[in-house]
Amino acid sequence: AQSVAQPEDQVNVAEGNPLTVKCTYSVSGNPYLFWYVQYPNRGLQFLLKYITGDNLVKGSYGFEAEFNKSQTSFHLKKPSALVSDSALYFCAVRTYGQNFVFGPGTRLSVLP
Amino acid sequence: DSGVTQTPKHLITATGQRVTLRCSPRSGDLSVYWYQQSLDQGLQFLIQYYNGEERAKGNILERFSAQQFPDLHSELNLSSLELGDSALYFCASSAGKGLNEKLFFGSGTQLSVL
Repeated sequence: AQSVAQPEDQVNVAEGNPLTVKCTYSVSGNPYLFWYVQYPNRGLQFLLKYITGDNLVKGSYGFEAEFNKSQTSFHLKKPSALVSDSALYFCAVRTYGQNFVFGPGTRLSVLP
Repeated sequence: DSGVTQTPKHLITATGQRVTLRCSPRSGDLSVYWYQQSLDQGLQFLIQYYNGEERAKGNILERFSAQQFPDLHSELNLSSLELGDSALYFCASSAGKGLNEKLFFGSGTQLSVL
């Protein structure tokens, strides 16, 4: 069975500092990996995805994520955090024959 | 705006009742997904439809059912409601059924069972 872990419930970072939101996954087969963001009272919004190819994926709003096959990780990063990045972030995985599995979410707070 | 419309936004009802949640996918999207989001369970996949046919089933209770109509809108029916069914229910859509397709989420229906 496939699963996604986001080891941190909460990440706090100062505005202007780099941020990392961690995600590890477990699948049998090749993973398709996604990051989504949820703002208060809104549905989830797609940020980026990894399908194949370059391990560094660039997405919306300056976010990027690095796929590491040996560590089965897909951490979300941004070089300089903004207060407006404060939200709930979900990592998700999908593989052949399986539907999306979402992680528990990580709440990011960017402090001014 | 994702283009996915969910109604109603809020629903308050009593235990034992039945409710229907409605979802209109993005124009042209053939796949509709239903998810339940709660504080203790996180985001749980319930069911997926593709072009009117059930494609995948997740942790959906027998008291719950769904369908996708010829115009591609979908309804999620929840019956014999219990307090524990209180949650945010999301609908999402995608163009097809490919593994690499991203989901577009509606804003959700907040269900409160009293």
